[in-house]
Amino acid sequence: GDSVTQMEGPVTLSEEAFLTINCTYTATGYPSLFWYVQYPGEGLQLLLKATKADDKGSNKGFEATYRKETTSFHLEKGSVQVSDSAVYFCALSENGANSKLTFGKGITLSVRP
Amino acid sequence: EADIYQTPRYLVIGTGKKITLECSQTMGHDKMYWYQQDPGMELHLIHYSYGVNSTEKGDLSSESTVSRIRTEHFPLTLESARPSHTSQYLCASSESRGQGARGYTFGSGTRLTVV
Repeated sequence: GDSVTQMEGPVTLSEEAFLTINCTYTATGYPSLFWYVQYPGEGLQLLLKATKADDKGSNKGFEATYRKETTSFHLEKGSVQVSDSAVYFCALSENGANSKLTFGKGITLSVRP
Repeated sequence: EADIYQTPRYLVIGTGKKITLECSQTMGHDKMYWYQQDPGMELHLIHYSYGVNSTEKGDLSSESTVSRIRTEHFPLTLESARPSHTSQYLCASSESRGQGARGYTFGSGTRLTVV
């Protein structure tokens, strides 16, 4: 079945550091890929997505590129801020009317001033 | 502004009580979901619905039940709350169009504590 694997956390960075959060996936077809962010005490928000190979999703300075050859969708940001402290989830959805999202386990990012 | 609403945001209740967590969305989405989030932040799908009068159990066994009498409303009920039900509960919805490419919209969650 489908699965999403995220790097182990938590991750702690200093403000303005470079961020990479690894995500790899296993899927039978050609899924859409997503990154969700969950700020403390809130639900999940869609951060960015990519629907086909080589697409790059971007939002709020975050980027991720859909790499079919390595089955990866790593999240990057050039300079993190304290306000980026949150839990980040990678997810995939197979194409199809009854497809459901498959989530990774999530990783907590803490950014120090 | 959120288009999917969960109430209450926080609930502390005694063991044995019956509770209903409310979830409503104004987007006309056919599909709705309930997730339980453990302290390690991992998400577990406990119920989902693909439309009115359709409900299915998710990947994680749960003692809760759900109903879908109206498109916009997907309440979750615990007949007899126990401390093991203490958790964060997240509701989400998605549309049928786009065949999975649009993702989900999540509510803000209900933090349930059973004492």
